Amino acid sequence: DAGVIQSPRHEVTEMGQEVTLRCKPISGHNSLFWYRQTMMRGLELLIYFNNNVPIDDSGMPEDRFSAKMPNASFSTLKIQPSEPRDSAVYFCASSPTGVGTGELFFGEGSRLTVL
Amino acid sequence: DAKTTQPPSMDCAEGRAANLPCNHSTISGNEYVYWYRQIHSQGPQYIIHGLKNNETNEMASLIITEDRKSSTLILPHATLRDTAVYYCIVRVYAGNMLTFGGGTRLMVKP
Repeated sequence: DAGVIQSPRHEVTEMGQEVTLRCKPISGHNSLFWYRQTMMRGLELLIYFNNNVPIDDSGMPEDRFSAKMPNASFSTLKIQPSEPRDSAVYFCASSPTGVGTGELFFGEGSRLTVL
Repeated sequence: DAKTTQPPSMDCAEGRAANLPCNHSTISGNEYVYWYRQIHSQGPQYIIHGLKNNETNEMASLIITEDRKSSTLILPHATLRDTAVYYCIVRVYAGNMLTFGGGTRLMVKP
């Protein structure tokens, strides 16, 4: 079975450029999460969606960050303009709400470096 | 969700049991204990969860104290591939958000 698919796996960009990270959740999962991981702050929840609707975006650092989920099989996290402090690994996770173990399934992550 | 406290690091000899403690003294009656681990450069991986009874699966065992204020994750025969950061998280089952703390960095040594 295909797991959560993220792209790109690695991105190097210059300060001020727009960055778009993509996520394909596991088919049938109706909750999707974006996390960011840095050495200093660990794993932080940025935003999560339920049935394509953003439920909690309190973790989004500032207006430069935006996330969308236009349909059940695709989500994007956009940073515009990017800054060096945005360098991190960004993880996407999906989960079937209210059934099973409540387990979140994580992708392999997108490593972003902003120069 | 209740806060958890874990030791920052632990060592374990290969083939021996690894016992990872977690304190969650402010846990509420409807909160579950979840364990995840993160192997270097990979996304976190679910291990096990429980409410008040001890649980076991193919990966590990979870022992929850009777007052539910602490728990222990047991890897019965640790291998080098179990070297990872282990996160103990408490949350309401129906609430899908997971809030990660610092975790315990387990180093399994030959």
